[in-house]
Amino acid sequence: QQPVQSPQAVILREGEDAVINCSSSKALYSVHWYRQKHGEAPVFLMILLKGGEQKGHDKISASFNEKKQQSSLYLTASQLSYSGTYFCGTENTGNQFYFGTGTSLTVIP
Amino acid sequence: KAGVTQTPRYLIKTRGQQVTLSCSPISGHRSVSWYQQTPGQGLQFLFEYFSETQRNKGNFPGRFSGRQFSNSRSEMNVSTLELGDSALYLCASSPTTTGTVPYEQYFGPGTRLTVT
Repeated sequence: QQPVQSPQAVILREGEDAVINCSSSKALYSVHWYRQKHGEAPVFLMILLKGGEQKGHDKISASFNEKKQQSSLYLTASQLSYSGTYFCGTENTGNQFYFGTGTSLTVIP
Repeated sequence: KAGVTQTPRYLIKTRGQQVTLSCSPISGHRSVSWYQQTPGQGLQFLFEYFSETQRNKGNFPGRFSGRQFSNSRSEMNVSTLELGDSALYLCASSPTTTGTVPYEQYFGPGTRLTVT
């Protein structure tokens, strides 16, 4: 029931774009995205609700495909500060909440 | 506003002992969740409390328990510690929920538990 994220790790140069995917085997009600920098606690980025619109936060946005039970996080024109591990959290229609396996993102100059 | 605080920050215990971890949420937040984070398993949900009631529980054995007080502060207890319980335990508070799942969780710095 833990959602699967892909890729597991990605290395980018500053200014490049990246997409992180989150896939669940169960029908979803909401998807939450968090970023955790090394040695720090996870920080909330955004939440997408069933039937809701694509969300955006500066140059980071996300979409939620309810039919495919998937969400994607889009990072455009990446900055060094984007480095960290990104987690999706999924709430399924059984009111269960699970964090994904995590995607390590490294942005290099 | 002060953030989520967790005490102690580091703890070393021996197998078979029990441990209690404490979490003080952000003022006004009524939802408190606990997570176990390990390199191999990632972030695993333990349980969530809202207004002193446990609303959700993850797939952990009964050795893991928690409670929430009337001031929203929460404690987590692990009895009969095993080596595999070594992990970072994170507490998160939330001002609201999507129903029964906390929305926009604010995490504390965590308690690093080492079991020897």
